Amino acid sequence: GNSVTQMEGPVTLSEEAFLTINCTYTATGYPSLFWYVQYPGEGLQLLLKATKADDKGSNKGFEATYRKETTSFHLEKGSVQVSDSAVYFCARAGGTSYGKLTFGQGTILTVHP
Amino acid sequence: EAGVTQFPSHSVIEKGQTVTLRCDPISGHDNLYWYRRVMGKEIKFLLHFVKESKQDESGMPNNRFLAERTGGTYSTLKVQPAELEDSGVYFCASSQNTDTQYFGPGTRLTVL
Repeated sequence: GNSVTQMEGPVTLSEEAFLTINCTYTATGYPSLFWYVQYPGEGLQLLLKATKADDKGSNKGFEATYRKETTSFHLEKGSVQVSDSAVYFCARAGGTSYGKLTFGQGTILTVHP
Repeated sequence: EAGVTQFPSHSVIEKGQTVTLRCDPISGHDNLYWYRRVMGKEIKFLLHFVKESKQDESGMPNNRFLAERTGGTYSTLKVQPAELEDSGVYFCASSQNTDTQYFGPGTRLTVL
């Protein structure tokens, strides 16, 4: 079936460090890919998305590129801030699981001043 | 434009009791989804409505869970009777198409 495997956390970084959170997905069909973020005490927010191979999603300094050859959608940010501390979820939709999202297990990111 | 809202934000009940969660989607969104996250694990799909019809309920864990969406607007998810393993955060999401889903803040359910 469809699945998403996400880098396990927690991840702890100093402010202005480079961030990578790895995400790979099963290659069934042609899924759209997403990163969602959950800030402390809040619900899930869409961070960015990509709908086809080689697309790059970006938002708030975060980027992720849809890599079909490696079935990956890694999240990156060049310089993290304390306010980026949150839980990050990679997800896929479409393919053989039309409509519903399949999520990775989530990665807790903590950024220290 | 108002986002997806969920009620209550928290619910604490005893095993065997009944709880009803409510979700109000973004106005005009035909698609409504329920998900839940149990004990820090991954968020798992429960079911998908298109208007008032159940499009996919493959994720519903058992017949103690009943979801409805009368009139194709808000939805309710009833758990009866609740068990300890039902504790978790229940998320609702809506979409105009099935590509991008917008999530509510979630309902944290604790079954004692």
